[in-house]
Amino acid sequence: QVHLTQSGAEVKKPGASVKVSCKVSGYSLSDSSMHWVRQAPGKGLQWMGGFDPLDGETFYAPKFQGRVTMTEDTSTDTAYMELSSLKSEDTAVYYCATGGGAYFTPLDSWGQGTLVTVSS
Amino acid sequence: QPLLTQSSSASASLGSSVKLTCTLSSGHSDYIIAWHQQQPGKAPRYLMKLEHSGSYNKGSGIPDRFSGSSSGADRYLTISNLQSEDGADYYCETWDSDTRVFGGGTKVTVL
Repeated sequence: QVHLTQSGAEVKKPGASVKVSCKVSGYSLSDSSMHWVRQAPGKGLQWMGGFDPLDGETFYAPKFQGRVTMTEDTSTDTAYMELSSLKSEDTAVYYCATGGGAYFTPLDSWGQGTLVTVSS
Repeated sequence: QPLLTQSSSASASLGSSVKLTCTLSSGHSDYIIAWHQQQPGKAPRYLMKLEHSGSYNKGSGIPDRFSGSSSGADRYLTISNLQSEDGADYYCETWDSDTRVFGGGTKVTVL
């Protein structure tokens, strides 16, 4: 069974960057399609981007293009999401999630979430 | 890209049933979707994958009380014998060639 464990809460100042990690166990990250989803306080789920293992391409939502970078370290089965030029509106819980080895499948395993607070 | 529309809230009494709707945008009525449950303060939990035909596959450990069905562009989640722990937000999800979208979510209140 896939288990995703994320890094702890972060507090950042506007303009800074944040890097959130997601450790995969029970499955090989190199075979996974990893996605990142965020949820602002009191709001719904918002897809940020995801990796297609079939062609090795990462797709980003237009809203975050240019500000987000998703990477993977397959030697440690850890995925990372870095968001730059932070604004107060980026205050949210960030989730990693995967649907296993294919891109076009539901996200059936979720991390516990990482709260990122952006405040001066 | 596809869009998903959900009612903002629903309520039903303990032990009764509630049926939630997720509507796909025009031109995307044959898309597969997924349903997720998010209890207060917790991460989303995958419930099931639901096809245009109405066929569905539930995630591991999801109770029999949860079922899915489809009609045209509408995808449904029915919760039978409603329990207090079913009070949560429910989101539908779908995906396309280079994107993934979620509905706005439905908040279920158990009376």
